[in-house]
Amino acid sequence: GDSVTQMEGPVTLSEEAFLTINCTYTATGYPSLFWYVQYPGEGLQLLLKATKADDKGSNKGFEATYRKETTSFHLEKGSVQVSDSAVYFCALTSSGGYNKLIFGAGTRLAVHP
Amino acid sequence: NAGVTQTPKFQVLKTGQSMTLQCAQDMNHNSMYWYRQDPGMGLRLIYYSASEGTTDKGEVPNGYNVSRLNKREFSLRLESAAPSQTSVYFCASSTPGTNTDTQYFGPGTRLTVL
Repeated sequence: GDSVTQMEGPVTLSEEAFLTINCTYTATGYPSLFWYVQYPGEGLQLLLKATKADDKGSNKGFEATYRKETTSFHLEKGSVQVSDSAVYFCALTSSGGYNKLIFGAGTRLAVHP
Repeated sequence: NAGVTQTPKFQVLKTGQSMTLQCAQDMNHNSMYWYRQDPGMGLRLIYYSASEGTTDKGEVPNGYNVSRLNKREFSLRLESAAPSQTSVYFCASSTPGTNTDTQYFGPGTRLTVL
């Protein structure tokens, strides 16, 4: 079945460091891909998405490119801030339809001043 | 515009007790979802409702029932709670249409079953 694999955390960085969180997927068909972010004590918020191969999603300085050849959707940011500390989830739309999402396990990011 | 709201925020149950988690959305979305979040496992779909009047099982439906009361409200019921149901529960809703819809999440209910 469809699945998402993310790099394990926690990821600990200093402010202004470069961030990469790896995400790879297995899916039938052509899923849409998402990054969601969960700040402490809150629900999930959509960070960015891409709907087809070679699309780049971007938001708040974060970027991810839909790579069909490597089945990847890695999240990057050039200069992280303390306020980026959160849990990041990679997800895809299941081939089962009805916009059902399959999530990765999540990667916790901690940014220190 | 409150988005997706959930009640209660926290709940502690004893094994065998029952309870209903409430979810409501004010975005006129057709589809609604219940997920559970467990450490190291991401979010897993329990049940979903593609539209008012329909419900379907997700990945982990055992021990749960749902009701799509109307377009706005989608409740999740635990008939006989078990410690394995200790988790954080999230409700979500999405816009009608294509497979690229964004899901909007509520703040979650943290449930502990003793």
